[in-house]
Amino acid sequence: EAGVVQSPRYKIIEKKQPVAFWCNPISGHNTLYWYLQNLGQGPELLIRYENEEAVDDSQLPKDRFSAERLKGVDSTLKIQPAELGDSAVYLCASSLVSGYNEQFFGPGTRLTVL
Amino acid sequence: QKEVEQNSGPLSVPEGAIASLNCTYSDRGSQSFFWYRQYSGKSPELIMSIYSNGDKEDGRFTAQLNKASQYVSLLIRDSQPSDSATYLCAVNMEGANDMRFGAGTRLTVKP
Repeated sequence: EAGVVQSPRYKIIEKKQPVAFWCNPISGHNTLYWYLQNLGQGPELLIRYENEEAVDDSQLPKDRFSAERLKGVDSTLKIQPAELGDSAVYLCASSLVSGYNEQFFGPGTRLTVL
Repeated sequence: QKEVEQNSGPLSVPEGAIASLNCTYSDRGSQSFFWYRQYSGKSPELIMSIYSNGDKEDGRFTAQLNKASQYVSLLIRDSQPSDSATYLCAVNMEGANDMRFGAGTRLTVKP
């Protein structure tokens, strides 16, 4: 069974530029998560999707971040414009359903904003 | 108080010893608990999940849960250098269908 796929793996951009990350969850997993992880910290939830509906986006900085999950499968997370403080690893995870289910992570995208 | 707390370490143990990693959480209603291993530069990998009080064993790993004390631990027996990583404790908060992660404990197993 293929795991969670993310691209790109690395991205270097200048501040104020836009950037987008893509995630394909494990087949059959209805719930998809985007996390942000800073060095030395645990992942922090940005947004959670159940199928195509964003059910928890309270931690998503909506002035510059946006996300979508069309057709309830793949998802894209966008930052526009990027700021220096956005440099981090962006992780996508999926689970069969939300709640108590185990989450499985993709390899992540390491973003560097110069 | 942080929702999920771990000792950041580093925790250093000799090869073959038992490594003990601890985690406390703030939400008394939490029902599911997970341990992830994260190698440097890699993403978290699920190694154990536990849902009821007591011990759960899987190979060299044992997860222990005490809901009354709001405490979950991970024991690694016969530690190997390949176990050197950061171990993240994750807890599903009651009423929230997402997990809260601790900052992780960095484990080093010395040959």
